[in-house]
Amino acid sequence: EAGVVQSPRYKIIEKKQPVAFWCNPISGHNTLYWYRQNLGQGPELLIRYENEEAVDDSQLPKDRFSAERLKGVDSTLKIQPAELGDSAVYLCASSRTGERNEQFFGPGTRLTVL
Amino acid sequence: AQKVTQAQTEISVVEKEDVTLDCVYETRDTTYYLFWYKQPPSGELVFLIRRNSFDEQNEISGRYSWNFQKSTSSFNFTITASQVVDSAVYFCALRGAQGGSEKLVFGKGTKLTVNP
Repeated sequence: EAGVVQSPRYKIIEKKQPVAFWCNPISGHNTLYWYRQNLGQGPELLIRYENEEAVDDSQLPKDRFSAERLKGVDSTLKIQPAELGDSAVYLCASSRTGERNEQFFGPGTRLTVL
Repeated sequence: AQKVTQAQTEISVVEKEDVTLDCVYETRDTTYYLFWYKQPPSGELVFLIRRNSFDEQNEISGRYSWNFQKSTSSFNFTITASQVVDSAVYFCALRGAQGGSEKLVFGKGTKLTVNP
C-alpha cells in the first residue's frame, strides 16, 4: 500500500512570493490533514478535511493561507504571500474516518522563506 | 483545553541501555486516544501505537513497551536494549472524542540519541 505522497520535498522562495504544496493521501482514507511543524516543535493542525469538506480550519491563517480538496482525494495548500515566519515543514496526513484511527503522515515539504 | 507535555527535550544513551520517554497529558474528555509517533532524521512521522482511554492494559511490542496510567495522566514509552536505529524524535499525542477536541495535539517531542 502506497503511503501519503507530498511534493515538493523542499521549497525555497523569497518573501511575498506565493507557494503551493500538494498531497495525495492513502487510498481509501477519507480524512486528510495539513499540519505545520516549526523547528523543535510538534506538528500543529492547520486544517482537516472529511472528503471534500473542511471540517476544522480554525487554525488556518486565512488572510494568506488557503487549501482545497476539490474531489475529496488529493489536496493543495497555498500561501500567498509568504512571510519569513512561514518557514517550517508542512506535513500532510490521512486516516480513515473516526477519531480513534491513527493518522499516517507524508514526508513533508520543508519551506524556507528568505 | 488539551495539552501534552514531554518534559525531556533530549536524551542520550549508549546502545543496549534501556530508556523511558515520559508523556503527561491533560484533557477533560472522558473518552480520548493517546498515540506515540517516531520521527527519524528523514522527517516522516511513523505511527507506533494508539491507546484508548478505557483500556489501561500495558502493551509490549518487541523492544517497545508502553505504560498507560490514568491516575497520573501519563503514557510513558520504554525502549529496551536500545539500538542506534532508535535515534529519532519521539512525539506523544492526544486526541479527544468530544465536540471541539477531535484534533490531534502533539507534545514538543523528545530527541533520543543512541550512541554506539
